[in-house]
Amino acid sequence: EAGVAQSPRYKIIEKRQSVAFWCNPISGHATLYWYQQILGQGPKLLIQFQNNGVVDDSQLPKDRFSAERLKGVDSTLKIQPAKLEDSAVYLCASSSTAGADTQYFGPGTRLTVL
Amino acid sequence: TQLLEQSPQFLSIQEGENLTVYCNSSSVFSSLQWYRQEPGEGPVLLVTVVTGGEVKKLKRLTFQFGDARKDSSLHITAAQPGDTGLYLCAGAGSGGSNYKLTFGKGTLLTVNP
Repeated sequence: EAGVAQSPRYKIIEKRQSVAFWCNPISGHATLYWYQQILGQGPKLLIQFQNNGVVDDSQLPKDRFSAERLKGVDSTLKIQPAKLEDSAVYLCASSSTAGADTQYFGPGTRLTVL
Repeated sequence: TQLLEQSPQFLSIQEGENLTVYCNSSSVFSSLQWYRQEPGEGPVLLVTVVTGGEVKKLKRLTFQFGDARKDSSLHITAAQPGDTGLYLCAGAGSGGSNYKLTFGKGTLLTVNP
C-alpha cells in the first residue's frame, strides 16, 4: 500500500513570495490533515478535511494560508505572502475516517523563508 | 488549550542503557498516542493507549497511561542505535467526529553505539 505522498520535499523562498504544497493521501482515506511543525516543536494541526469539506481550520492563519481538497482526494496548501516565521516542515496526514485512531503521515515539505 | 509537556527534551545515552521519557498534561485525554519521527520523515505511530492505567508493550518499548488519563510514559529497555529519533506524544480530545490530536514538543533521543 502506497503511503502519503507530498511534494516538493524542500522549498526555499523569500519573504512575501507565494508557495504551494501538494499532498496525495492513502487511497480510500476520507480524512486529510495538514500540520505545521516548527523546528523543536511537535506538529500543530492547521486544517482537517473530511472528504472535500473542512472539519476544523481553527488554527489556520486565514489571512495568508489557504487549503483545498476539491475532489476529496489530493489537497493543496498555499501560503501567500510568506513570512519568516512560516519556516517549518509542513506535514500531510490521512486516516480512513475522522474517528480513526491512526493517522498516516507523509514525509513533509521543509519550507525555508529567507 | 490542552498542553502536553514532554521531558526530558533531549536525551543522549549509550547502547544497552534503559531510559524513560514522560508526557504530562493538566487535561484529561480520551486516548494518548506515541509516535517516533526520524529526520526527514513524518511521525510514525507506535501505540495508542485508551484506558487509565493501561500498559502496552512493543518489543523493548513499554508504554503506560496514567490512571487519570492525564499523563503517560515510555520506557525503553536496552536501547539500540536504531531507537534514535524524536519521540512525540499526542493526546486526543473528545473523539467522535473530530479526532483532533494535540502534540507535545517531543523528546529527542540519541543512542550512541
